[in-house]
Amino acid sequence: DTAVSQTPKYLVTQMGNDKSIKCEQNLGHDTMYWYKQDSKKFLKIMFSYNNKELIINETVPNRFSPKSPDKAHLNLHINSLELGDSAVYFCASSQDSFTGTENEQFFGPGTRLTVL
Amino acid sequence: GNSVTQMEGPVTLSEEAFLTINCTYTATGYPSLFWYVQYPGEGLQLLLKATKADDKGSNKGFEATYRKETTSFHLEKGSVQVSDSAVYFCAVGYSTLTFGKGTMLLVSP
Repeated sequence: DTAVSQTPKYLVTQMGNDKSIKCEQNLGHDTMYWYKQDSKKFLKIMFSYNNKELIINETVPNRFSPKSPDKAHLNLHINSLELGDSAVYFCASSQDSFTGTENEQFFGPGTRLTVL
Repeated sequence: GNSVTQMEGPVTLSEEAFLTINCTYTATGYPSLFWYVQYPGEGLQLLLKATKADDKGSNKGFEATYRKETTSFHLEKGSVQVSDSAVYFCAVGYSTLTFGKGTMLLVSP
């Protein structure tokens, strides 16, 4: 069974379009994340949700909007796509991020977004 | 906030060579330290971790020791294999993790 899954795996679209990436985890974790990885492999956190509530919202354009319908899902909607949005987007989850205990993050396989 | 500095890659080695990838961090208190590995076309996987000073994390022949005095968590392996070719990320944190920029390792037969 896949622990953290993302769809689609590849997404090619035109500038100005709106698109969504879906993420689901079946680990029963409380916290989910979205990361952006650029072409140089640099990994930057975008959002973090704990029990469906937004906890971290790094400096990300407001064209990016996460939505968590339940604890197992965290989707990423992107409006008015730009060339610079091309990257690999990773979803991750962890057991409990805010009790001060260390915990492992489990990553999805990534979604490669290409904006033309 | 926390920060992580990793040696820049790519690191190119022949099979069975000794590997060291340096990682230093800045953080307040006593965060946990992690090494993640990303194989081509895949997501990140936890390779090893250490939760307190002087702890040694180990997995698949890789080791790293939590050095509080030098704020370091260097990754080592005694004999690398071609299958170890990947990008390695050092990370630090209690809950939300801060990742280094990644170090690509290329192992040739």
